[in-house]
Amino acid sequence: NAGVTQTPKFRVLKTGQSMTLLCAQDMNHEYMYWYRQDPGMGLRLIHYSVGEGTTAKGEVPDGYNVSRLKKQNFLLGLESAAPSQTSVYFCASSPLSYAGGPGELFFGEGSRLTVL
Amino acid sequence: GQQLNQSPQSMFIQEGEDVSMNCTSSSIFNTWLWYKQDPGEGPVLLIALYKAGELTSNGRLTAQFGITRKDSFLNISASIPSDVGIYFCAGPLSGNTGKLIFGQGTTLQVKP
Repeated sequence: NAGVTQTPKFRVLKTGQSMTLLCAQDMNHEYMYWYRQDPGMGLRLIHYSVGEGTTAKGEVPDGYNVSRLKKQNFLLGLESAAPSQTSVYFCASSPLSYAGGPGELFFGEGSRLTVL
Repeated sequence: GQQLNQSPQSMFIQEGEDVSMNCTSSSIFNTWLWYKQDPGEGPVLLIALYKAGELTSNGRLTAQFGITRKDSFLNISASIPSDVGIYFCAGPLSGNTGKLIFGQGTTLQVKP
């Protein structure tokens, strides 16, 4: 009954360090998303994927890269972390909806990243 | 760019009162989703709307898909303390690109 699992849950980085956040879903969903949440800003889309082997830019993609080599996994990378990337990161997945395209999002628990 | 504008930003109400919030966009949406987020957790879906004019209820919650396809409304009747949280509207941008964006959220506080 895992759903969407994010690792790690917490991480502290120094400016310039790199890291990868892993998202795994066991629901065979086509769509996967990475969002960041900052106070007063809501959830902003970083990158997303509409299927295995595909990725696309969201609203705030700069400074991040993603990969979806396997359908169940969606990786978010920070090549050179900056203090502005301090945030809570949420991964989500979605099946194809009744209306076509994504529908209900299933979220992970979030990953809190601090960049010093 | 295409955005979802949510209002109000925050509400502080008395227990038992009804609540209304809305979401508007300059773009057309084919699906509207309403989520609630409790502190320290990920958002959870409350209501999904798939047809213009659709009115859907989930307990004390009622949401409507605007006829113009550019807005949606969420109402909460007879609020209780556990309604506290952040409410988000969301929707996939038209064109079936899979891009799904969120509004800025409405923070609800309920005074017992």
